[in-house]
Amino acid sequence: AQSVTQPDIHITVSEGASLELRCNYSYGATPYLFWYVQSPGQGLQLLLKYFSGDTLVQGIKGFEAEFKRSQSSFNLRKPSVHWSDAAEYFCAVAPYSSASKIIFGSGTRLSIRP
Amino acid sequence: NAGVTQTPKFQVLKTGQSMTLQCAQDMNHNSMYWYRQDPGMGLRLIYYSASEGTTDKGEVPNGYNVSRLNKREFSLRLESAAPSQTSVYFCASSEYPSDLKNSPLHFGNGTRLTVT
Repeated sequence: AQSVTQPDIHITVSEGASLELRCNYSYGATPYLFWYVQSPGQGLQLLLKYFSGDTLVQGIKGFEAEFKRSQSSFNLRKPSVHWSDAAEYFCAVAPYSSASKIIFGSGTRLSIRP
Repeated sequence: NAGVTQTPKFQVLKTGQSMTLQCAQDMNHNSMYWYRQDPGMGLRLIYYSASEGTTDKGEVPNGYNVSRLNKREFSLRLESAAPSQTSVYFCASSEYPSDLKNSPLHFGNGTRLTVT
């Protein structure tokens, strides 16, 4: 069965510092991969997605993620965080292109230190 | 443009009471979904409706029922609420159920439900 792991429950970084949020998945083939962001009191918003092709994908709000097949990872990065990036971030996987099959990770809460 | 609208935003129930969570989307999407979000567990799919007139169970359907009232509206009903159903509930929609590449999920802002 597929699964997705976000090993960091809570991360705090200083404003202006770089960020990397980790995501590992378990699946026999290459799944479809997603990162979502949830701001306080809001629903989830899609940041970026990987289906195939270039393993470095660009998303909204200056985020990017890199798919590494050898490590079964899809880590999210941002070179310089802003206070408005404080939110919860969810990695998600799907074995094929069906929304009903998306599995969400448990989330990483990001705090920004002024 | 409202997107996905959920009502109510907050609700407190006593054990055994019933209630219906409402969800409406104005994007003419075909598919709609109900998730629950619990601390440390991410989102889990309760029920979904791939198209008007159809509904299917997700990962955690027990204790819930759904109705796809029309293309816009998809409601979630708790017939006899239990403390284990204390959670944040999210409704989502997508244009096509099997085209995640071009048809991403759009989420509502959630309903926070507490069952005492």
